[in-house]
Amino acid sequence: GQQLNQSPQSMFIQEGEDVSMNCTSSSIFNTWLWYKQDPGEGPVLLIALYKAGELTSNGRLTAQFGITRKDSFLNISASIPSDVGIYFCARSNTGNQFYFGTGTSLTVIP
Amino acid sequence: NAGVTQTPKFRILKIGQSMTLQCTQDMNHNYMYWYRQDPGMGLKLIYYSVGAGITDKGEVPNGYNVSRSTTEDFPLRLELAAPSQTSVYFCASTLAGSYEQYFGPGTRLTVT
Repeated sequence: GQQLNQSPQSMFIQEGEDVSMNCTSSSIFNTWLWYKQDPGEGPVLLIALYKAGELTSNGRLTAQFGITRKDSFLNISASIPSDVGIYFCARSNTGNQFYFGTGTSLTVIP
Repeated sequence: NAGVTQTPKFRILKIGQSMTLQCTQDMNHNYMYWYRQDPGMGLKLIYYSVGAGITDKGEVPNGYNVSRSTTEDFPLRLELAAPSQTSVYFCASTLAGSYEQYFGPGTRLTVT
């Protein structure tokens, strides 16, 4: 019940392309979170989603909380080289414990 | 604000040795967390604390101990290091009621 399935596992794209990744779970949750981890650093929160159906943007990033509350997706538009990194979804029901997906590794080719 | 700081950055331990990973935050956050990240994997929660004097187990607590004597500090103790504990360890903190965790830079631990 704690597992988050994140896909794709890795992506290699040309600079300027759009990117889409998603996260699914067999259980429903109250909160979906999207993080980015740069090499050698800790994760940084990009977007937090709190309601089913919610669509939230942060610059070129857009994330949605699925209607079923079992999935979420993250889109990046017009990718740039600094978008390189590992993107994690995470979820929490209580705010006490957080469970992370296995990550999507993004490589942007200039 | 320094945010969340962790020491050391790197450490190599022999099997059976013990060590303490230090974590400090200066944001007056109530909640603190320890995660481990294995290659190609997401973060797994080891222990967490909702305030000084209160700690609780996460997904993978075996082989670790924690204490929370102050709001700022949340050290993670490995008593008998094993190769399976080779990993990158991240500390994080957040305010109660917030889902935004702030992570430290990590400690890369190798047990040989």
